[in-house]
Amino acid sequence: DGGITQSPKYLFRKEGQNVTLSCEQNLNHDAMYWYRQDPGQGLRLIYYSQIVNDFQKGDIAEGYSVSREKKESFPLTVTSAQKNPTAFYLCASTPGQGSEQYFGPGTRLTVT
Amino acid sequence: QKEVEQNSGPLSVPEGAIASLNCTYSDRGSQSFFWYRQYSGKSPELIMFIYSNGDKEDGRFTAQLNKASQYVSLLIRDSQPSDSATYLCAVFMFSGGYNKLIFGAGTRLAVHP
Repeated sequence: DGGITQSPKYLFRKEGQNVTLSCEQNLNHDAMYWYRQDPGQGLRLIYYSQIVNDFQKGDIAEGYSVSREKKESFPLTVTSAQKNPTAFYLCASTPGQGSEQYFGPGTRLTVT
Repeated sequence: QKEVEQNSGPLSVPEGAIASLNCTYSDRGSQSFFWYRQYSGKSPELIMFIYSNGDKEDGRFTAQLNKASQYVSLLIRDSQPSDSATYLCAVFMFSGGYNKLIFGAGTRLAVHP
């Protein structure tokens, strides 16, 4: 089955710890995205990558980092510099710019 | 003004009725428009996309686009309790120095038996 997988589904961390969220896709899409969703708000773009070994900051990149070493994988690291990391994190991919985006199941991160 | 605006709801409709969900956007040059459905605790699922003015139908769903009025809507015919979810409108537009998909905050739909 083609699709996007994210792991883990739930993640709990103590404040001050870095944590890495996994995102893998087998749709052969070039572009991948990371969003953050908070209650009552729309999705906000953290980082995106349109091609392997290249990525750009989105609207709320501070406190996050990414890598894109393989077409299939786009991991997101939430660093201790992120002030309010507790949120629902969504990874998406698209076959082309301006086309529909498909989402993974999400990772719910709780930092205490 | 928000770039993509939706009424947060909840929009309550009886089973079998037509649910009408509305969305306005700020960038007149936008070309791609999407509707996603999101159940509580789940990720968004693409329902429809529309690029041209007019109506686009897919089963019980119809997307309507009016670029002159900067307005896109989603109609759900014969609404079912399983349609109860939050519906996100998304518009591909130039914002903050680059092209990206901007999401509205969503409209919560409740279909009651």
